Amino acid sequence: NAGVTQTPKFQVLKTGQSMTLQCAQDMNHNSMYWYRQDPGMGLRLIYYSASEGTTDKGEVPNGYNVSRLNKREFSLRLESAAPSQTSVYFCASSGGTGFNEKLFFGSGTQLSVL
Amino acid sequence: GNSVTQMEGPVTLSEEAFLTINCTYTATGYPSLFWYVQYPGEGLQLLLKATKADDKGSNKGFEATYRKETTSFHLEKGSVQVSDSAVYFCALNMDSSYKLIFGSGTRLLVRP
Repeated sequence: NAGVTQTPKFQVLKTGQSMTLQCAQDMNHNSMYWYRQDPGMGLRLIYYSASEGTTDKGEVPNGYNVSRLNKREFSLRLESAAPSQTSVYFCASSGGTGFNEKLFFGSGTQLSVL
Repeated sequence: GNSVTQMEGPVTLSEEAFLTINCTYTATGYPSLFWYVQYPGEGLQLLLKATKADDKGSNKGFEATYRKETTSFHLEKGSVQVSDSAVYFCALNMDSSYKLIFGSGTRLLVRP
């Protein structure tokens, strides 16, 4: 039972570099999410995909792009990384039609931008 | 806007002690309220929820009651265990939108 799988687990980038964080779920969930977690600020929603083929902005979308590649996969891209994007990134998914508050989270990607 | 405020941690307790983690919210309307837990090295997982005033959510010995009059959703457990050591997040959702709003989290450390 893999659940939600994120890769990589750790990444160090230099300012201006680009990278893509990968996320896949094997629970046949319709909805997928990307959050960032910063000390003292909890989790903040970057982007979400309510269903395959749709994506929408969350609270803090600037500097990020997403792709819902298929029902299983939802990637997050940083085109030109900045130190302010140093954070822990979590992908999550939820099932059913419409919003389901029972989110299943991956174990996170720790990203440092120097 | 809508927001969640949690008590600052860390909260350090001895095993079998009583736990309270405070959570208050600000919302335009009547949100659904949740507690999520994050164990070391893992992602968050839903612990319990309450969808309307006076509802009590409960799971694994934890409880929280939705208090509209005080806009609070405090997490309680009568007797904590070392295995309860984790970070606890209070969260709210309005109108079944796709946006869960999280508090900043409270770290709990339980000593044997």
